[in-house]
Amino acid sequence: QKEVEQDPGPLSVPEGAIVSLNCTYSNSAFQYFMWYRQYSRKGPELLMYTYSSGNKEDGRFTAQVDKSSKYISLFIRDSQPSDSATYLCAMSEGYGQNFVFGPGTRLSVLP
Amino acid sequence: DAGVIQSPRHEVTEMGQEVTLRCKPISGHDYLFWYRQTMMRGLELLIYFNNNVPIDDSGMPEDRFSAKMPNASFSTLKIQPSEPRDSAVYFCASRKTMGQGPLGKLFFGSGTQLSVL
Repeated sequence: QKEVEQDPGPLSVPEGAIVSLNCTYSNSAFQYFMWYRQYSRKGPELLMYTYSSGNKEDGRFTAQVDKSSKYISLFIRDSQPSDSATYLCAMSEGYGQNFVFGPGTRLSVLP
Repeated sequence: DAGVIQSPRHEVTEMGQEVTLRCKPISGHDYLFWYRQTMMRGLELLIYFNNNVPIDDSGMPEDRFSAKMPNASFSTLKIQPSEPRDSAVYFCASRKTMGQGPLGKLFFGSGTQLSVL
């Protein structure tokens, strides 16, 4: 079993849809959870980060962490074609510790 | 700021040749990371440096891979000899010391697409 797993893509949705992206993990020591967005032929860029369990909202994006289930989610409301990218979850055990990345889910938002 | 700069953007070489990838981190960042990304294995950490010193190279796949950071503004990843299974996108990333920036915020370069024929 891989340490971090993501739902397989690619995922295609119509513009305006609500998108749910998910990751599961096996290491209960993970405390810091991040979502990176990667456009084609570009490096990943940090989208959101959270600490421990709970929700965090930033505009159209909401990150959820459920440590009891070892499950994290990223929700995108009113999805736009510009949201088309690969989304990678990442997590670490401690502040400043190295991250373990999920394999990524490719999202296409169709106009 | 120009961001993390990597060169070359694309590299095509033949098996057995030496390959050198280059990275210039963001000025003031004291951590530098080398990652490799493939469809099969995703994003893998190869090695990282703190203040130009290699801290963890456990992700370097084989002795054919080596990395150096002679100064705070330059790092290289070398593969000698290269093999077709080394074909991947190689990313360099940098960040500030803990507590001096957003938690976990790695700044990635645009990557080097390596193809070994």
